[in-house]
Amino acid sequence: SQQGEEDPQALSIQEGENATMNCSYKTSINNLQWYRQNSGRGLVHLILIRSNEREKHSGRLRVTLDTSKKSSSLLITASRAADTASYFCATDKSNYQLIWGAGTKLIIKP
Amino acid sequence: GAVVSQHPSRVICKSGTSVKIECRSLDFQATTMFWYRQFPKQSLMLMATSNEGSKATYEQGVEKDKFLINHASLTLSTLTVTSAHPEDSSFYICSARGNTETQYFGPGTRLLVL
Repeated sequence: SQQGEEDPQALSIQEGENATMNCSYKTSINNLQWYRQNSGRGLVHLILIRSNEREKHSGRLRVTLDTSKKSSSLLITASRAADTASYFCATDKSNYQLIWGAGTKLIIKP
Repeated sequence: GAVVSQHPSRVICKSGTSVKIECRSLDFQATTMFWYRQFPKQSLMLMATSNEGSKATYEQGVEKDKFLINHASLTLSTLTVTSAHPEDSSFYICSARGNTETQYFGPGTRLLVL
């Protein structure tokens, strides 16, 4: 069953701007992961943040996790056209099965 | 990073035939492999979880006789869609996990059943 919910469902911004996507979930988790999917392709793992972590960085990506609000955000700074993709959050509750959100479709306009 | 391959990347078949999709972890041993299905513009739906040498665990609503999974080795899992019908047309993605929490995804297989 789906647990994560991303918002917005779609986001269109100018190249160079920052993009923020949010993810909410319903039950306790071990970790939360963000993935990127280019149209019709497989998923690429971006960042994993554990339940005892509050923030993680990887290059232009910044992920926050608020377990009290059961929410996470993914920030992409200085966006590029190549960042155009769908972004999914997935929660790992136990036994490594991931529960997926519906995704945010990000479009970067040149 | 770890690489997972899928074969074929795209398959078109006639209704009633069976299709086998392979998922391989190329540079690590996959303790667990997962099979997902994705409909257009939707998120991934977990179909089943397979551990090497044991029977796959199917999610509710997924017919195990329809979607046969064989995890024969630590680097190979196969999904066979038996007697495929047009409603089985979808994007099938596998993922593999080694000794860490991270799952590595294959590039996906697009199945079209005519």
